[in-house]
Amino acid sequence: KNQVEQSPQSLIILEGKNCTLQCNYTVSPFSNLRWYKQDTGRGPVSLTIMTFSENTKSNGRYTATLDADTKQSSLHITASQLSDSASYICVVSAGGGSNYKLTFGKGTLLTVNP
Amino acid sequence: DTEVTQTPKHLVMGMTNKKSLKCEQHMGHRAMYWYKQKAKKPPELMFVYSYEKLSINESVPSRFSPECPNSSLLNLHLHALQPEDSALYLCASSQEGLAGDLYEQYFGPGTRLTVT
Repeated sequence: KNQVEQSPQSLIILEGKNCTLQCNYTVSPFSNLRWYKQDTGRGPVSLTIMTFSENTKSNGRYTATLDADTKQSSLHITASQLSDSASYICVVSAGGGSNYKLTFGKGTLLTVNP
Repeated sequence: DTEVTQTPKHLVMGMTNKKSLKCEQHMGHRAMYWYKQKAKKPPELMFVYSYEKLSINESVPSRFSPECPNSSLLNLHLHALQPEDSALYLCASSQEGLAGDLYEQYFGPGTRLTVT
């Protein structure tokens, strides 16, 4: 069964600090892994997309890593800002064509306090 | 323009009503998606349209009926819903779908649906 597990469930940090969110997956056949940021009551916004051959990808203060061997990914946020407070969702895509399937993690709720 | 728009933003409907949700994108994307999201849960894929044809139906009850009138529009027709169908309904689009799965999905802001 395809699964995506994220940790921690929630995290509170002070503004300016760094943090790392984790994602473990058991999805086959693996196509790509995405990180989304979702503000409360809004649609998710894509941060990064990585295929199995990519180890790291950055988008501003967000850096995602992927270890396809251990089936783990992390999202590192540098110099956090109050606007980073949101839910961060890891999504893994399997297969393609008629076998297309997205498996969503439950998300990590990040709160950045002043 | 990288925007996906959804209307209405909020909708309250009774169990005997018929209503429709609308989604629009003008990015030339050929794949469009409907998702359902309950509070504090991740989005759940409902339907995928690829080149205006329904490609994936994730065993969604028939009281939800999708329609893709053209490549820019996606509707979700609602009829005889249940209170448990209350959720945030998200629309998304991507340049290609299915075989072109690497393309980024752009999400709309969602329609908050309440069934009374």
